[in-house]
This record gives sequence, structure tokens and C-alpha cells, in this order.
Amino acid sequence: NAGVTQTPKFRILKIGQSMTLQCTQDMNHNYMYWYRQDPGMGLKLIYYSVGAGITDKGEVPNGYNVSRSTTEDFPLRLELAAPSQTSVYFCASSYLQSYSNQPQHFGDGTRLSIL
Amino acid sequence: DAKTTQPPSMDCAEGRAANLPCNHSTISGNEYVYWYRQIHSQGPQYIIHGLKNNETNEMASLIITEDRKSSTLILPHATLRDTAVYYCIVRKGAQKLVFGQGTRLTINP
Repeated sequence: NAGVTQTPKFRILKIGQSMTLQCTQDMNHNYMYWYRQDPGMGLKLIYYSVGAGITDKGEVPNGYNVSRSTTEDFPLRLELAAPSQTSVYFCASSYLQSYSNQPQHFGDGTRLSIL
Repeated sequence: DAKTTQPPSMDCAEGRAANLPCNHSTISGNEYVYWYRQIHSQGPQYIIHGLKNNETNEMASLIITEDRKSSTLILPHATLRDTAVYYCIVRKGAQKLVFGQGTRLTINP
């Protein structure tokens, strides 16, 4: 039971470098999400997608980009890494219709440090 | 989303029932109550959710008051592995989850 898979698990970047955090789910969920969690804090929504080809901003989208070309994959891209983006990043997915209230399933996270 | 209020920390003895309270006095009629937990820095784990009836699954029970302004998550026989931060969240439909500070539950041997 793979669920939501995130890669890599850990990464150290230099300021100004770019990278893509990968997220894939095998549950045929239509909704996918990216959160970040700073030490001792709750999760904050970066971007989300309601289906292939559709994405929207969350609470803290600045400095990030996303795409959703398939149902399964929802990569998160950092173009110019900054120290403020040091955090743990979680991807999640759920199957939602307007009348349903199914829970979100989370990956194990990517721990990213910008030095 | 309605705001929730949880105690910042709780302790429970191993083998006893852990009862975690949550206040959501401004909840609206079509908002569900969800509980998640986060162990160490792992991804949040879904536990249970409900609308107005009490719910039970293999992990926990959820008791929602008749006026729906508060709820209690019950872990019937807590183990050391239940030590985690527990989040109570209210949400309707496809709205995003809003994570507060949660309750840090410590299970003591």
C-alpha cells in the first residue's frame, strides 16, 4: 500500500539553487496538496490542485510553483531557494466531491535545508 | 473554517483511556470534525471524523456533544506509540485543512 510517496526525504540546498520536490499518489485521488511545517508550528498550505491541469494558491505560495499534468503526480518547484524556505514539506491527497468529506492522506515529508 | 481550541498538552498512563477535548463553538451545521495526529515529524495521520453522531473505528472513538460545540477523541487503551500531537480540525466539503497548535499527548509507562 504505497499511498502518498514523497522524494527525496532529505535535501540540503545552497541559496539561489532550484529543485523539485516530487509527490505521487496511487489512490486515484482528485485533490492534492502541498504543505510546509516550520519547527513547532502547524502545517500551512502552499498550493493545491483539484484535478489534472488545475492548481490554486494556498496561504503561503510565494517562492513556489506547481503543476499537475497527471492525476498521480503533483511536483513542487523552488526556483531560487532562500533560507526562509527551510522547512519540512508534506504532500497530501484526498478524494473529494462537493458532497463528500473524505480525509486527506499525507506523505512522510521532505526535510529541506537552505544554507 | 471554524476555529478550534485544544489544551496544549496532556499526559496519560499507558493502558488507560486517553480523552482529548476540543472546543469548536462556532462550528456550522455542515462542518465535520476531523482528528489527525502527528508522531515526531512524520506526516499527519488521519484518525477519525464525524458530523454529529458518535463515531468509532479501529483507532479511536469520537464523541460529539449534542450542540456540536465540542468533541472528545478517545483512545481506549493508550500505548507508548500513541505519544504524538493531536489536531482537531473542523471543515466542510473540499475546504483546506487548517492545522492549529494541537494537543501534545504524552503516554507515560
